[in-house]
Amino acid sequence: DTEVTQTPKHLVMGMTNKKSLKCEQHMGHRAMYWYKQKAKKPPELMFVYSYEKLSINESVPSRFSPECPNSSLLNLHLHALQPEDSALYLCASSSREGWTEAFFGQGTRLTVV
Amino acid sequence: KNEVEQSPQNLTAQEGEFITINCSYSVGISALHWLQQHPGGGIVSLFMLSSGKKKHGRLIATINIQEKHSSLHITASHPRDSAVYICAVMNYGGSQGNLIFGKGTKLSVKP
Repeated sequence: DTEVTQTPKHLVMGMTNKKSLKCEQHMGHRAMYWYKQKAKKPPELMFVYSYEKLSINESVPSRFSPECPNSSLLNLHLHALQPEDSALYLCASSSREGWTEAFFGQGTRLTVV
Repeated sequence: KNEVEQSPQNLTAQEGEFITINCSYSVGISALHWLQQHPGGGIVSLFMLSSGKKKHGRLIATINIQEKHSSLHITASHPRDSAVYICAVMNYGGSQGNLIFGKGTKLSVKP
């Protein structure tokens, strides 16, 4: 199994809603990442978890809250988002943080209305 | 100047043509990734290179560390190859999360 699975594939939420994005991998990878990608732009790093601990937070607003409950699962909790937060949210994993191949998920297309 | 430059930005080819996408970078790197992204979709890792050349099916990736340049070649292109191809480098000594992405090359292969 070389997949990174993200759910849901599409999400529409209001600015007062609370929702969560989920990312799962069963490759035994110990580093997991959240990226945000706007249309026709490259992905931007948001968070890095290494061995279930947050190792990088790229100054992301607190309305985005990551969580890594175990080594296979990564969540992104969303609250009080703005329309400009609408984007494709990509999860990735690698065997460890550093010089190893990264596997990306299919992304969650988020629309904030 | 961007640390990772790709060319061309857009590329239209006829089915069967040989395609080359170029990537130049200005930082010291430990590895370079070639990624593929279909419209509205997730990213697929095609290659990770630190030296030399790799081949997978109709795809070939090369890297010249001294010249800080990499190329992605597609032989016998097919409409299903239509996608955005992204070059991303890992800064030497940096973490995987600190991939520096190029802006991508949008490839359209016409039947």
